[in-house]
Amino acid sequence: AQKVTQAQTEISVVEKEDVTLDCVYETRDTTYYLFWYKQPPSGELVFLIRRNSFDEQNEISGRYSWNFQKSTSSFNFTITASQVVDSAVYFCALSVGLTDKLIFGTGTRLQVFP
Amino acid sequence: DAGVTQSPTHLIKTRGQQVTLRCSPKSGHDTVSWYQQALGQGPQFIFQYYEEEERQRGNFPDRFSGHQFPNYSSELNVNALLLGDSALYLCASSLAGRGGANVLTFGAGSRLTVL
Repeated sequence: AQKVTQAQTEISVVEKEDVTLDCVYETRDTTYYLFWYKQPPSGELVFLIRRNSFDEQNEISGRYSWNFQKSTSSFNFTITASQVVDSAVYFCALSVGLTDKLIFGTGTRLQVFP
Repeated sequence: DAGVTQSPTHLIKTRGQQVTLRCSPKSGHDTVSWYQQALGQGPQFIFQYYEEEERQRGNFPDRFSGHQFPNYSSELNVNALLLGDSALYLCASSLAGRGGANVLTFGAGSRLTVL
């Protein structure tokens, strides 16, 4: 069975602080994809990043960075110098094999205060 | 370029009623998936439609049914509504052929309240 765990339910930070959102996944498949989506109050899930199981290269994109470690089944997401506009619920998700069905974690609500 | 559009945005029903939610996929996409997101939870996969047929289904009862039209738009129907069906229903579209590598494009959802 596949599962995604986001142990942090809510995180509050002050603007300009760095924040890391944790994600742990479970799957026995060797081919899988990991995603991060952002859900602002409007409700629409916004795609942030995708990683496949064969690519452990970590990535930095502006203020965002991702740390994928197969050894610990983790796919963590860091926002550097957080801003109020980063306030949202962030979801980690998994798809396996040939299907694009997403298995989501329960989400982490990030609140950034000015 | 319009993304995924869903209607209605909000609706209120009573127990036992039936509801139909609608989704237009992003231009160029041919596959539509539906997810249910209860308050404070992550989205749960309901089913997926491709070529007007249900291709995959999650762990949802038969009260949940759907349809895809030749223009790729889709409907989600829920019969005999229960209080527990209250949720945000998200539609996502994609282009078939990339399997798990697909990046789904989501709509803003239809918020259903069952009283």
